[in-house]
Amino acid sequence: DAMVIQNPRYQVTQFGKPVTLSCSQTLNHNVMYWYQQKSSQAPKLLFHYYDKDFNNEADTPDNFQSRRPNTSFCFLDIRSPGLGDAAMYLCATSSKGVYGYTFGSGTRLTVV
Amino acid sequence: AQSVTQLGSHVSVSEGALVLLRCNYSSSVPPYLFWYVQYPNQGLQLLLKYTSAATLVKGINGFEAEFKKSETSFHLTKPSAHMSDAAEYFCAVSDWSRDDKIIFGKGTRLHILP
Repeated sequence: DAMVIQNPRYQVTQFGKPVTLSCSQTLNHNVMYWYQQKSSQAPKLLFHYYDKDFNNEADTPDNFQSRRPNTSFCFLDIRSPGLGDAAMYLCATSSKGVYGYTFGSGTRLTVV
Repeated sequence: AQSVTQLGSHVSVSEGALVLLRCNYSSSVPPYLFWYVQYPNQGLQLLLKYTSAATLVKGINGFEAEFKKSETSFHLTKPSAHMSDAAEYFCAVSDWSRDDKIIFGKGTRLHILP
């Protein structure tokens, strides 16, 4: 089945230690998104790629970076995780004419 | 700017009773509207979407929603609740003609009472 896959499902990292979360898709969608969702809150858009064009939300901290080496993969890099970065990170895809996102299962990040 | 407001962060209904989750939107252009469901430690799953076609939209798992422009509402309903419906529900809005971003509401947690 075509889908969006996030690895790992659970990630524990140390305070200040760089961490990378990955997302892959078999849908061939041209838009990929990263959302941060804290407990009992709505998902918050961090950034998205329209093809290779990177679009950063104005309030996304500089600590968060992203890479999209090809259509299928997108990475979220957190350069120096703080305790406040503990959250569920959701990857989603979309395509023109396909209204609505397809989400992965998310990666729950714990910072210790 | 577009936004959605979900009334009630928690809603409890008895099994077999009507489910009604409320959502009001704000948009300066004709909106695209969505309902997503999220089970614990899972991503979001699309329940249904309104994209300017029929105002009554049927989705998966027996859910439906009606777009009412005069009331700027897009409430989600299900005639008979099932225990498996217990989850977090998010209403969302997008101006899909302008960009591809979806703005989510704060969510409503649905509890099903036996």
